[in-house]
Amino acid sequence: SQTIHQWPATLVQPVGSPLSLECTVEGTSNPNLYWYRQAAGRGLQLLFYSVGIGQISSEVPQNLSASRPQDRQFILSSKKLLLSDSGFYLCAWSVKSGANVLTFGAGSRLTVL
Amino acid sequence: AQRVTQPEKLLSVFKGAPVELKCNYSYSGSPELFWYVQYSRQRLQLLLRHISRESIKGFTADLNKGETSFHLKKPFAQEEDSAMYYCALSGLSGGYNKLIFGAGTRLAVHP
Repeated sequence: SQTIHQWPATLVQPVGSPLSLECTVEGTSNPNLYWYRQAAGRGLQLLFYSVGIGQISSEVPQNLSASRPQDRQFILSSKKLLLSDSGFYLCAWSVKSGANVLTFGAGSRLTVL
Repeated sequence: AQRVTQPEKLLSVFKGAPVELKCNYSYSGSPELFWYVQYSRQRLQLLLRHISRESIKGFTADLNKGETSFHLKKPFAQEEDSAMYYCALSGLSGGYNKLIFGAGTRLAVHP
């Protein structure tokens, strides 16, 4: 069966520090991968999605970047965190043919101080 | 542009009462609509999709293209239905299908 892992689950970082959130999927190949940010009252905002290795599309301009170095690995990064980067980040995957049905990870809560 | 609107942040009902979670969308093409749910301390997960036309946990949702709505309904709410509910729209954008979510509605079912 397919599983999706995100880590770390919780992270507290100072302003200006770098960020790396990782997401891996097991039990499937060539998935679509997504990063969402979940904010109270604002729902789920799509940040990045990827249809293949090295293929990243950004939905909103921001202080974050994403990379897909391997087929089932998706990384969310920042060189210098801002206070506004605090939030709950969700990774998700879908199969190519069912790109509308997403399976979500448990999420990573980032607090920038 | 694709947009999903859930006008209610919180819906509070008593057990056994009917529930309707509202969702309106904006999309120029033929949309595919979904409801996702997040129970306390659980992952966000798919509840139902309009093309399946099925009832899941007693919930149903009908796509009304005339009113551009996809409201989620259940005739008799249960305490275990308390959760965060997100309406989502899938449509082509930039050559890819993308899933756009609404702001979510928290359903609280009281005993």
